[in-house]
Amino acid sequence: AQSVAQPEDQVNVAEGNPLTVKCTYSVSGNPYLFWYVQYPNRGLQFLLKYITGDNLVKGSYGFEAEFNKSQTSFHLKKPSALVSDSALYFCAVLTTNAGKSTFGDGTTLTVKP
Amino acid sequence: DAGVTQSPTHLIKTRGQQVTLRCSPKSGHDTVSWYQQALGQGPQFIFQYYEEEERQRGNFPDRFSGHQFPNYSSELNVNALLLGDSALYLCASNRMGQEVSNQPQHFGDGTRLSIL
Repeated sequence: AQSVAQPEDQVNVAEGNPLTVKCTYSVSGNPYLFWYVQYPNRGLQFLLKYITGDNLVKGSYGFEAEFNKSQTSFHLKKPSALVSDSALYFCAVLTTNAGKSTFGDGTTLTVKP
Repeated sequence: DAGVTQSPTHLIKTRGQQVTLRCSPKSGHDTVSWYQQALGQGPQFIFQYYEEEERQRGNFPDRFSGHQFPNYSSELNVNALLLGDSALYLCASNRMGQEVSNQPQHFGDGTRLSIL
């Protein structure tokens, strides 16, 4: 069975500072990893994905994520946070041919001016 | 190009009632998945439909059922509603196929179901 853990319910950063939202996963086989963002009363919006290749993946809105196979992690990062980045972030894993995504419980990111 | 659309946006029901939620996938997509997102939790996979058949199912009771139509749209039906069924129900679509099986799903904005 596949699983995703987001160890932090809440992350608080000051605007302009770097941010990291953590994610670890457990899956048999090669993982396909995703980050989504959810704003209040909205669905999930895709940010970025890791399929294969370079361990550093760049996505929308200046976000990037680093895949670390030995640590089974896929942390989301941004060099300089914006107040508008405040939202709920979900990490998800998809296994080949499974077709279904398994999500973490989410991390609320708050960026303060 | 319309994305994934869901209806209704909000719904209030009482225990024991039945509910039907609807989803139209993004243009060009043929696969629909349903998720339940309880407050403070991540989306939980309910089931997936492709070619009008349920292809995969998560850990949900038989009270949860679905259907996919020839135009790829889908319905989620929940019978004998319980208070614990209160949640945001998300529909996601993608295009089935070996090379795109790892493409991100496109999500609708969900239906907020409240059970009184």
